[in-house]
Amino acid sequence: KNQVEQSPQSLIILEGKNCTLQCNYTVSPFSNLRWYKQDTGRGPVSLTIMTFSENTKSNGRYTATLDADTKQSSLHITASQLSDSASYICVVSDRGSTLGRLYFGRGTQLTVWP
Amino acid sequence: EADIYQTPRYLVIGTGKKITLECSQTMGHDKMYWYQQDPGMELHLIHYSYGVNSTEKGDLSSESTVSRIRTEHFPLTLESARPSHTSQYLCASQVASGGTDTQYFGPGTRLTVL
Repeated sequence: KNQVEQSPQSLIILEGKNCTLQCNYTVSPFSNLRWYKQDTGRGPVSLTIMTFSENTKSNGRYTATLDADTKQSSLHITASQLSDSASYICVVSDRGSTLGRLYFGRGTQLTVWP
Repeated sequence: EADIYQTPRYLVIGTGKKITLECSQTMGHDKMYWYQQDPGMELHLIHYSYGVNSTEKGDLSSESTVSRIRTEHFPLTLESARPSHTSQYLCASQVASGGTDTQYFGPGTRLTVL
């Protein structure tokens, strides 16, 4: 069964600290992996997207890594800010259909305290 | 910033009412999607469309229906709302040129059926 598992489910950190969120997936075949940020009451916004051949990609203070062999990804947030408080969702796409079907994780709820 | 809009943002209605959730995008995207998301849970695809006059059901069984008469407009209708329909509904759109293109999400409609 194709699945996307994220950990931790929730995380609280102090402003200025770094943190790393994890994503493990069993989706096969694999096309790409995306990290989205979803603020409370809003739709998800794309942070990064990585294909099979990419193992790291940065977007400002966000750095995503991908290990396609172990089917693991991480999202590292550097020097956290209060505005980073949100749910971070890992999404994996297969290439087995014309839909390019997306498999969503349940997200990690990050709270940044002052 | 993605140009995809959803109205209303919040809706509280009584059981048995007919409702239509609106979704519009000004990016000219051919692919559009409706997702349902409950708190702390992953997004579930309920409907999608590849273009005008093309609509398909997604993975999650839904009593809602959709239409795609114009490229920019993808409304979702519930003929008779029930408390079990209480959820957040997210609309998304995507360029049709390839599977790595990002899905852009609207802000969502939070529906409460009493």
